[in-house]
Amino acid sequence: AQKVTQAQTEISVVEKEDVTLDCVYETRDTTYYLFWYKQPPSGELVFLIRRNSFDEQNEISGRYSWNFQKSTSSFNFTITASQVVDSAVYFCALLSGNTGKLIFGQGTTLQVKP
Amino acid sequence: ETGVTQTPRHLVMGMTNKKSLKCEQHLGHNAMYWYKQSAKKPLELMFVYNFKEQTENNSVPSRFSPECPNSSHLFLHLHTLQPEDSALYLCASSQDFLQSYEQYFGPGTRLTVT
Repeated sequence: AQKVTQAQTEISVVEKEDVTLDCVYETRDTTYYLFWYKQPPSGELVFLIRRNSFDEQNEISGRYSWNFQKSTSSFNFTITASQVVDSAVYFCALLSGNTGKLIFGQGTTLQVKP
Repeated sequence: ETGVTQTPRHLVMGMTNKKSLKCEQHLGHNAMYWYKQSAKKPLELMFVYNFKEQTENNSVPSRFSPECPNSSHLFLHLHTLQPEDSALYLCASSQDFLQSYEQYFGPGTRLTVT
C-alpha cells in the first residue's frame, strides 16, 4: 500500500524562525518519486520540488531545503528564516512508478506570524 | 500563475441542478486530472485523461461525468449532487501519465451543494 503521513497538522512560528515540515511515506515500489506542493489561500497547488527514489542528495533552493532519507522513508522540508508569505498549507506527495498515481499526505498548515 | 485555469472559481448549486466545471491548460501537456479536496481529507484523485483517453476512474459516483474533448480542455459535468459533494475541485495537468512528471494545478472551483 502507498501512504504519505504528515504528522504535523498545524505549525505556528514567528517570522525569521526556521521550521521543518515532516513527511513519512510507505511504498513497496523500488522506483517512486516524492514531491512537495504549497497551497496558498488562493487555492492552487504550487509545485516546489520532485525527487526520485534513486537520488538521496539533499537539495537547497534559496530559503528552502529538503532532506530525503530512504533509511527512514522520510522527505522533510525546511524553511529557513520564515516569512509571512510562507503561510500556506504544504503537501507532501508520493508518485508510484508503477501506477502513475499521486498520493498526497493530509497537509501541514504553516502560519508565520509577523 | 501555473498555466492551468479553472472556471468558475465559485459555484453554488442545488441538488437538482446540472452544472459543468471547466479546466484549460496552456502548457502543451498530454495528461489532465480531476481531484477533489474536502476539508480534513487528503486530495482524492477522481479521473485521469492521457492523450484524451480516460485512463483512471477512481470509483467516482456517476453523478460526476468527465469530458476531455482535446488535450487542452477538461470538463466535469455535475448533476443531482449531494451536500457531501461540496468541496474544492482541482484540475491538474502533466506532460504525460505513468511518468514522473510533476503535475501543475489550477486554482480550483469551490463547489457548494445546497
